[in-house]
Amino acid sequence: KNEVEQSPQNLTAQEGEFITINCSYSVGISALHWLQQHPGGGIVSLFMLSSGKKKHGRLIATINIQEKHSSLHITASHPRDSAVYICAVGTGANSKLTFGKGITLSVRP
Amino acid sequence: ETGVTQTPRHLVMGMTNKKSLKCEQHLGHNAMYWYKQSAKKPLELMFVYNFKEQTENNSVPSRFSPECPNSSHLFLHLHTLQPEDSALYLCASSQGTSGNNEQFFGPGTRLTVL
Repeated sequence: KNEVEQSPQNLTAQEGEFITINCSYSVGISALHWLQQHPGGGIVSLFMLSSGKKKHGRLIATINIQEKHSSLHITASHPRDSAVYICAVGTGANSKLTFGKGITLSVRP
Repeated sequence: ETGVTQTPRHLVMGMTNKKSLKCEQHLGHNAMYWYKQSAKKPLELMFVYNFKEQTENNSVPSRFSPECPNSSHLFLHLHTLQPEDSALYLCASSQGTSGNNEQFFGPGTRLTVL
């Protein structure tokens, strides 16, 4: 079992829909990272959070430390949101991030 | 626009070739990383450098040889690679090396080993 599990593995949505992507982890963490990877490879850091909730534009990330679970929400989804969304956890002083496999999101116009 | 650049963006090499990947960060960070991303697998950390010193080698085969001449530049020297080494190689940087440091990624080098 991976230390970081993401669900669903693939997700297709219609433009305008509210989307939720989930991440569960099994270890104690210092921070959880949400990353976005577009076709072509480049990765962009969306959020880093260790508690509560963060919002940036149409994206909202939440984390529940007790339940070891985080969600990434996309409001008013758009085809340009189509990408792979990767969850990763950092475990304290160690620099090593543990990554989930990522979820492929396709938003249809 | 990313503050981390990588060259080349694509590389095709034979198993007997020697090539190098280059990464440069313009963010004033102290830590730099090499990652490997194979199809349908999570990102795998390969090496970490902090203030030019290697702090992590994630059991990477010796046919991959990193070099960090200063905090802004990172190289990955490749020699006698295998076809299974074909992957996307990503460089990243961060201010520090603890798990709560945000990492900034380059665009990656798509490597194909024939």
